[in-house]
Amino acid sequence: DAGVIQSPRHEVTEMGQEVTLRCKPISGHDYLFWYRQTMMRGLELLIYFNNNVPIDDSGMPEDRFSAKMPNASFSTLKIQPSEPRDSAVYFCASSFGTGGSGYTFGSGTRLTVV
Amino acid sequence: GEDVEQSLFLSVREGDSSVINCTYTDSSSTYLYWYKQEPGAGLQLLTYIFSNMDMKQDQRLTVLLNKKDKHLSLRIADTQTGDSAIYFCAESSDGGFKTIFGAGTRLFVKA
Repeated sequence: DAGVIQSPRHEVTEMGQEVTLRCKPISGHDYLFWYRQTMMRGLELLIYFNNNVPIDDSGMPEDRFSAKMPNASFSTLKIQPSEPRDSAVYFCASSFGTGGSGYTFGSGTRLTVV
Repeated sequence: GEDVEQSLFLSVREGDSSVINCTYTDSSSTYLYWYKQEPGAGLQLLTYIFSNMDMKQDQRLTVLLNKKDKHLSLRIADTQTGDSAIYFCAESSDGGFKTIFGAGTRLFVKA
């Protein structure tokens, strides 16, 4: 398996623009997580899905953020409109079952909003 | 809420042992993890331990768990320059699925 695939690796956009981040989890994994990493706040869980259904989105910072998982092999995180304070590295991770064996993380998308 | 704390920096000489410490607050933690993050990469699971264990060894890595004090440590024997990275401690509790991550300890290995 190629692991968790995220695209794009880097994204630079202007304030106010819509940004869409993409993730392909490991085949057979039934949990998918979106995290945001910044120097100031560390790793923050934004939302997670189980069998394509959003379970907990309490970490989504505000209504400008939305996430979808239309099928078991694809998820998106959208920011509309983007703001400079959204600049961060966004990670997608997936796991199987109860999570005792840990998560597999993607390489991340570095987002810069100017 | 649950919290995981770890020191931010550790510097060691190549060939020495590194010990990275972590404390957590959730007494119902079932799984405790160590992840490694290299520059420009995602987190990689290094090892994990169940809460009913007090030690786990995997090649150069030794994990010690003191459940009474809610203290977890990662020892890296014969530390190499390739071990330079950020190490994250994390925990998840029984019945819950969220994993709580610490802020990460940046390990510097001097040649």
